[in-house]
Amino acid sequence: DGGITQSPKYLFRKEGQNVTLSCEQNLNHDAMYWYRQDPGQGLRLIYYSQIVNDFQKGDIAEGYSVSREKKESFPLTVTSAQKNPTAFYLCASRTWTGEYEQFFGPGTRLTVL
Amino acid sequence: KQEVTQIPAALSVPEGENLVLNCSFTDSAIYNLQWFRQDPGKGLTSLLLIQSSQREQTSGRLNASLDKSSGRSTLYIAASQPGDSATYLCVGAYNNNDMRFGAGTRLTVKP
Repeated sequence: DGGITQSPKYLFRKEGQNVTLSCEQNLNHDAMYWYRQDPGQGLRLIYYSQIVNDFQKGDIAEGYSVSREKKESFPLTVTSAQKNPTAFYLCASRTWTGEYEQFFGPGTRLTVL
Repeated sequence: KQEVTQIPAALSVPEGENLVLNCSFTDSAIYNLQWFRQDPGKGLTSLLLIQSSQREQTSGRLNASLDKSSGRSTLYIAASQPGDSATYLCVGAYNNNDMRFGAGTRLTVKP
């Protein structure tokens, strides 16, 4: 089955720790995205990548880092510099031609203890 | 900055009722508009995608329309069912990487 997988589903972090969220897609999409979702708010873009080895900051990139070493993978690291990291994190991908339909993974809920 | 607004924030209807969810956007230079469904604690499931050159798209009991001139999109759900209960999000794409999300409409369909 083609799709986007995210792991883990739930993640707990102690203050001062860095944690990495995994996102993998087998849709052969060029572009990948990380969003943060907080209750009652729309999704906000953290980082996106249009192509391997290239990525750009979104609206709320501070305290986060990413890498794009493979087309299929776009991991997100939440660093200790992120002051309020408790949220639901969603990864998405889309093609770079055609209809640009966006597909989402199931999400990772990060809680800071 | 382009904004996307969804009204109402929450809606409760009895089973079997037809209903309309609204989405408005401030910039008519929209590339496409996508409607998603989100169940609690889950990711987003794509329902319908309307290109800027299109006026509507249909899938089963769902029909989405797009009116660029008025900056509006609607999602029509016919004969609603309890399984339709979820949060519905609209997303406006303005170029390849500028996508704006509404905050969603939380729909409850009562048996």
